[in-house]
Amino acid sequence: QITLKESGPTLVKPTQTLTLTCTFSGFSLSTFGMAVGWIRQPPGKALEWLALIYWDDDKRYSPSLKSRLTITKDTSKNQVVLALTNMDPVDTATYYCAHKTPDSGFYYFDQWGQGTLVTVSS
Amino acid sequence: SYELTQPPSVSVSPGQTARITCSGDGLPHQYAYWYQQKPGQAPVLVIYKDRERPSGIPERFSGSNSGTTVTLTITGVQAEDEADYHCQSADNNYLWVFGGGTKLTVL
Repeated sequence: QITLKESGPTLVKPTQTLTLTCTFSGFSLSTFGMAVGWIRQPPGKALEWLALIYWDDDKRYSPSLKSRLTITKDTSKNQVVLALTNMDPVDTATYYCAHKTPDSGFYYFDQWGQGTLVTVSS
Repeated sequence: SYELTQPPSVSVSPGQTARITCSGDGLPHQYAYWYQQKPGQAPVLVIYKDRERPSGIPERFSGSNSGTTVTLTITGVQAEDEADYHCQSADNNYLWVFGGGTKLTVL
């Protein structure tokens, strides 16, 4: 059974860097085909894909946020970390991590974490 | 950048059929996926590869693709189906994109 859980600060100040950790179980990110992604959702708004990291350390970023995002993995700890620099109130959102299907050539998340609400305010 | 367009809202009466569309120029080339999201909860995959249903998803959920538009159909809508529905796909660079979401109201 695959589970994921996000952790990190619930409140950050403008200009600060947000660092979120996704701790997962039920799979290994060192296994061929595995990947974990991050998605966010501002209150009352749409889902927005942020980043994805593959088992081989290949990384994909949303073009609109690429300059501010960094995704890394720690295979030994079963964790994926997302950093988002220069936070602004418009970055207030629930941040989710999710497991990508290992089926090569198909791009969907088959398991999601519960999400964590991050508020940006001074 | 690539965009997926959904209607903001769809309303149906219980027992009727709800159809939620998602349009995008890349949909003839990449599969579409659908997620259901109830208030305060994380999204749940209900359709993958345009029309496949994950285990545990009721048969009343189905998907179809007609080129640049994909459709999520819920046949015999139940009150519990009231939720936001999000389509998702990928562009030619394997970057992911979500639609704007559709709020399904069961009258």
